[in-house]
Amino acid sequence: GENVEQHPSTLSVQEGDSAVIKCTYSDSASNYFPWYKQELGKGPQLIIDIRSNVGEKKDQRIAVTLNKTAKHFSLHITETQPEDSAVYFCAASPQHTGANSKLTFGKGITLSVRP
Amino acid sequence: GAVVSQHPSWVICKSGTSVKIECRSLDFQATTMFWYRQFPKQSLMLMATSNEGSKATYEQGVEKDKFLINHASLTLSTLTVTSAHPEDSSFYICSAREFLSADTQYFGPGTRLTVL
Repeated sequence: GENVEQHPSTLSVQEGDSAVIKCTYSDSASNYFPWYKQELGKGPQLIIDIRSNVGEKKDQRIAVTLNKTAKHFSLHITETQPEDSAVYFCAASPQHTGANSKLTFGKGITLSVRP
Repeated sequence: GAVVSQHPSWVICKSGTSVKIECRSLDFQATTMFWYRQFPKQSLMLMATSNEGSKATYEQGVEKDKFLINHASLTLSTLTVTSAHPEDSSFYICSAREFLSADTQYFGPGTRLTVL
């Protein structure tokens, strides 16, 4: 099955700096890669996703890049703000159609933005 | 759009009782809903996949007789924790996949279950 690795487990940046979070996956059949932000005591919120037919996607301060050859994808947050502090999960899905296609999650990274 | 709600947001119950958690897709039809469990400082663990009108598919190690899942309509799935014990205390989160978009999952706010 799919295995998603997320390192490091914590990341601290100064407000205004950029943050980059990397994930690797093992299954070359995976073709859908979402990123979720989870604040304490809340459910995960989808912030951006990318499919394997695209190498990069951007939405305001957030971007995701995908390297299919190396099997890794990264979340980029620019001009970080204290409200970006949260746990970020990456995930991968081996197929984007089918009633039972499932997401495999990384272990999560705690991002702290220092004011 | 793509809003998923859960009810209740938190519940405290006595050991041996059953607890029902509801998951609703508010503005879209969800042919598939997922139930996850999350322990403190850990990732999401998929418990089961629920398709509308059919039996749920449980992940290995998840007791289907203990965690009853019903997906009776395109907007509602329920998880019932039967004969709850303290080790069942956890954060339970559902997600729903839009009918026309087969891969994107939208998550509910979660339900905190505490079993005394």
